[in-house]
Amino acid sequence: NAGVTQTPKFQVLKTGQSMTLQCAQDMNHEYMSWYRQDPGMGLRLIHYSVGAGITDQGEVPNGYNVSRSTTEDFPLRLLSAAPSQTSVYFCASSYSRRTLTGELFFGEGSRLTVL
Amino acid sequence: AQSVAQPEDQVNVAEGNPLTVKCTYSVSGNPYLFWYVQYPNRGLQFLLKYITGDNLVKGSYGFEAEFNKSQTSFHLKKPSALVSDSALYFCAVSPRYNFNKFYFGSGTKLNVKP
Repeated sequence: NAGVTQTPKFQVLKTGQSMTLQCAQDMNHEYMSWYRQDPGMGLRLIHYSVGAGITDQGEVPNGYNVSRSTTEDFPLRLLSAAPSQTSVYFCASSYSRRTLTGELFFGEGSRLTVL
Repeated sequence: AQSVAQPEDQVNVAEGNPLTVKCTYSVSGNPYLFWYVQYPNRGLQFLLKYITGDNLVKGSYGFEAEFNKSQTSFHLKKPSALVSDSALYFCAVSPRYNFNKFYFGSGTKLNVKP
C-alpha cells in the first residue's frame, strides 16, 4: 500500500523561483490537504480540498496555490518562493467526512529551503 | 480564534512509569479531538480520537486519552511507558461546524529513558 506519496522529499530554491510539491494518494480519499510544520508552531493548514474541482483556504494560504483535477492528486504550487516559506510540508488525506472517520493519513513530508 | 495548547514542550519519564501529555483547546461547540504521533523524519500517524460517548478513549500502542468537557482538555495517557514511545506528539481539534479544518497544537516531545 503506497498510501500518501509526496515528491520531492528535499528541495532548495532561490528567492523568487517557482516550484510544485506533488501529492498523490491511492486510497480513493475525497479529502486532501496541505500543512506546513515549523518549529514550535505545530502544523498549520495551507489549503484543502473535499473533492475534485473543489478547493478552499486554510489558516496560512498566502503565497500558495492548489488545484484538484483528479481524486488522486493535489499539487501545491509556490509561484514566487520567499525565505519565509522555508518549512517542512505535509500532505494529508482522509475518507469522506460523511462517514465521520476523521483521521488524517499523512505523507512523509517535503523539506523545502528557500535561500 | 481557534487554538490548541500543549503546555509542555518536553515530557521526560522513566520506562515503566505512567505518562501524561497534556492538551487543552479553545474551539467553540463540541469539537472532534485527536492525537497523532510523529517519529523522526516521518509523517504524522493517527493514535486515537474522541467523537462522542465515553470520556476515556483507547487507541493504538496502549495509549488512551481522557476528554474533560468542563476543562476543555484531552490529555494523552499510557499506564506504562516504553522507550519506543519516545517521539513527538500532537493534539489536534476539528470543529463540528467546519470539520474540514484541523487545528494542531505545537507538539510535545516525549522522552522515555531506560
